[in-house]
Amino acid sequence: AQSVSQHNHHVILSEAASLELGCNYSYGGTVNLFWYVQYPGQHLQLLLKYFSGDPLVKGIKGFEAEFIKSKFSFNLRKPSVQWSDTAEYFCAVTAGTGTASKLTFGTGTRLQVTL
Amino acid sequence: EPEVTQTPSHQVTQMGQEVILRCVPISNHLYFYWYRQILGQKVEFLVSFYNNEISEKSEIFDDQFSVERPDGSNFTLKIRSTKLEDSAMYFCASTGTGSPEAFFGQGTRLTVV
Repeated sequence: AQSVSQHNHHVILSEAASLELGCNYSYGGTVNLFWYVQYPGQHLQLLLKYFSGDPLVKGIKGFEAEFIKSKFSFNLRKPSVQWSDTAEYFCAVTAGTGTASKLTFGTGTRLQVTL
Repeated sequence: EPEVTQTPSHQVTQMGQEVILRCVPISNHLYFYWYRQILGQKVEFLVSFYNNEISEKSEIFDDQFSVERPDGSNFTLKIRSTKLEDSAMYFCASTGTGSPEAFFGQGTRLTVV
């Protein structure tokens, strides 16, 4: 079974600082990778996704992530965070190539951006 | 843009009562899911549903839980006899045939008192 690890549980940054959130997964086969964001009191929103192709994927709101297969990693980055990026960030993975696979989520990283 | 809708947004129920959470997936999607997020914890998979039957379920999805697609549009999660520990946000999701990207509803916050 697949699993996802997010090592940063709580990150505090000043506005304009650069962000990198770690995500590692364990699964030996083909995976699809996702980052979701959850703003306070709201539902999950997809930030970006990787299925295949270019390992550097760009998402909404200036976020990007890089899939490094050899490291089983899919870290999320943003060059300059804003106060409005304060939220919980979840890395998730589905296994296999089908469209009916369940998502396995990491424990989440709470990002707090200070002014 | 098509979206997954869930009702109600918040439900308070007494312990031991039955609750039904409702979801309307995206109309041309074929795979449906329920996830749960206990306050402060990660999102956990409960069950997946395809072709009118459960395709996978987690250890959390015991005999107290059931899912149904009673008509062509709704997808429901029933908890037969709620417990305090069932208090959580419940998310419905659906995927289509061409992509593994799941679209989530806004969630139902279930509070068991």
